[in-house]
Amino acid sequence: EAGVAQSPRYKIIEKRQSVAFWCNPISGHATLYWYQQILGQGPKLLIQFQNNGVVDDSQLPKDRFSAERLKGVDSTLKIQPAKLEDSAVYLCASSRGLATYNEQFFGPGTRLTVL
Amino acid sequence: AQSVTQPDIHITVSEGASLELRCNYSYGATPYLFWYVQSPGQGLQLLLKYFSGDTLVQGIKGFEAEFKRSQSSFNLRKPSVHWSDAAEYFCAVGATSGTYKYIFGTGTRLKVLA
Repeated sequence: EAGVAQSPRYKIIEKRQSVAFWCNPISGHATLYWYQQILGQGPKLLIQFQNNGVVDDSQLPKDRFSAERLKGVDSTLKIQPAKLEDSAVYLCASSRGLATYNEQFFGPGTRLTVL
Repeated sequence: AQSVTQPDIHITVSEGASLELRCNYSYGATPYLFWYVQSPGQGLQLLLKYFSGDTLVQGIKGFEAEFKRSQSSFNLRKPSVHWSDAAEYFCAVGATSGTYKYIFGTGTRLKVLA
């Protein structure tokens, strides 16, 4: 089966600009996650979807970050406006369901550099 | 709320030597436990997982991990390291009830000397 697809792989922007990342999960996976991974740290969950509904967005900086999964399949994460501290790798993952015993499958990530 | 600690930021071993990466967790019950590996420029890949039962679990690429309830630990081991094992390793803890929280540790970067 095809894995989790993400684009772009790399993005360089200036602070205060906007940027969007796209993720297409594994077919049939109901749960989709966006993680932020800052250099030297583990992935931090930003938002979790079950189909097209938000399950957890408690760590999403909602003043500048937004995400949607309108049709319950692919998803977009947006940052507007970007700050220097947003430089990180943004990982998308998907799993069959919400329960944490489900394996999460990760995409290759998008490396964002904010200058 | 659960938490996970990986005490070693960097570990260096010689090729062919044995490896043990430490992971300690905090949770009110036995959580679901996972080890992932991340090669440079790649996403995370699951190595193994523990839910219940036998406390020694086998994973892919020759890795194994042992769950020790008394020590709240889930250490990853490999008897003989290959140069291709150089990567970053993450321990993760999943809640078993009440929430869907899934927490990653800060990772251990493994360097393998030829």
